[in-house]
Amino acid sequence: GAVVSQHPSWVICKSGTSVKIECRSLDFQATTMFWYRQFPKQSLMLMATSNEGSKATYEQGVEKDKFLINHASLTLSTLTVTSAHPEDSSFYICSASATSGSPYEQYFGPGTRLTVT
Amino acid sequence: RKEVEQDPGPFNVPEGATVAFNCTYSNSASQSFFWYRQDCRKEPKLLMSVYSSGNEDGRFTAQLNRASQYISLLIRDSKLSDSATYLCVVTRDSNYQLIWGAGTKLIIKP
Repeated sequence: GAVVSQHPSWVICKSGTSVKIECRSLDFQATTMFWYRQFPKQSLMLMATSNEGSKATYEQGVEKDKFLINHASLTLSTLTVTSAHPEDSSFYICSASATSGSPYEQYFGPGTRLTVT
Repeated sequence: RKEVEQDPGPFNVPEGATVAFNCTYSNSASQSFFWYRQDCRKEPKLLMSVYSSGNEDGRFTAQLNRASQYISLLIRDSKLSDSATYLCVVTRDSNYQLIWGAGTKLIIKP
């Protein structure tokens, strides 16, 4: 149980284009989904927290107009990197917290490796 | 100062050895603590939660020292498959946010 899928696994895109990443909880309902970014040899950095049906809460320094998050259902959240630039190249990981059980227990997707050329 | 600090390593350890590493945190209000492992280019996976009384899971032992604000992870009889980056995770207050350390890289050598 508690499986989270993420698509695509990796994507290479040209500078200026937009990329959408999907995060799905496959066998549970996720009250909250988290989006992280990880640069090589660095820690996971929380970008935003989203609750189903409401606007995402962005961490300081994360541009909400650049990283659009939609959490339309209890099983799906999307992150759209708009007008991507090479510095946006990173490993993007989502996680989901179930509606029951420990709120600290997060289940992670396998991540999406984005390369912007 | 980072909220969660770890020695990045790498720790090069022979197979079968015992290895331990610490993680310090700055927020004294932190309530929950975890160790995750992350393999190269993969997502983090929960290794174990860390309880005040200390806890053990097979070859892994985790301990919490609130007074000094650090947690530790000890791995006994290390296996080649233990090679990974170990991430220390601490909660921030009560809003369920997880604060991640940058990880300690462990390399087990045959």
